[in-house]
Amino acid sequence: TQLLEQSPQFLSIQEGENLTVYCNSSSVFSSLQWYRQEPGEGPVLLVTVVTGGEVKKLKRLTFQFGDARKDSSLHITAAQPGDTGLYLCAGVDSGAGSYQLTFGKGTKLSVIP
Amino acid sequence: NAGVTQTPKFRILKIGQSMTLQCTQDMNHNYMYWYRQDPGMGLKLIYYSVGAGITDKGEVPNGYNVSRSTTEDFPLRLELAAPSQTSVYFCASRPPLHFGNGTRLTVT
Repeated sequence: TQLLEQSPQFLSIQEGENLTVYCNSSSVFSSLQWYRQEPGEGPVLLVTVVTGGEVKKLKRLTFQFGDARKDSSLHITAAQPGDTGLYLCAGVDSGAGSYQLTFGKGTKLSVIP
Repeated sequence: NAGVTQTPKFRILKIGQSMTLQCTQDMNHNYMYWYRQDPGMGLKLIYYSVGAGITDKGEVPNGYNVSRSTTEDFPLRLELAAPSQTSVYFCASRPPLHFGNGTRLTVT
């Protein structure tokens, strides 16, 4: 069973601060995805990283995939209250004709105005 | 374009009752999934399907059944509800994963 360790589990910061969320595994994944979930809704895909060492930016969010494709990080610059939510990483295994995701337990982010 | 639609949004069951959680998608995706989400535990895969007529077990299939007679629909069946099945259930299709808004189920 592939496992994804996500840290921290909870994060409460002031508006304008920077933060980093980590997602680590001992397994290699085909790709890794980050989702954001708001209360009462399903997760929404933010980004997919595919290549080892890849860096993608989405406005103030920067996503990095580790060189060995086992870990990833999400960095938010100058956090805003609208960034509040549950952030989930998911490792993708697309071998053997299937497409399965292993999710981390999530990081619950609160940005205080 | 509705995406992935789940019904009902909320349900309370008594122990031993049965119910079907409905999921339908209008994106013509072959792959569909059922996850359950418990507080602090992320999402666990219950069952998935790679196309009509094909289903397979995920990480936590016990107590559930699925069917996939059409590309659009992927219902999840609970036959004998137990308190351990209290959770929020999400249906999703790919690619990439598009989630419904979930069904919050309480078994008492």
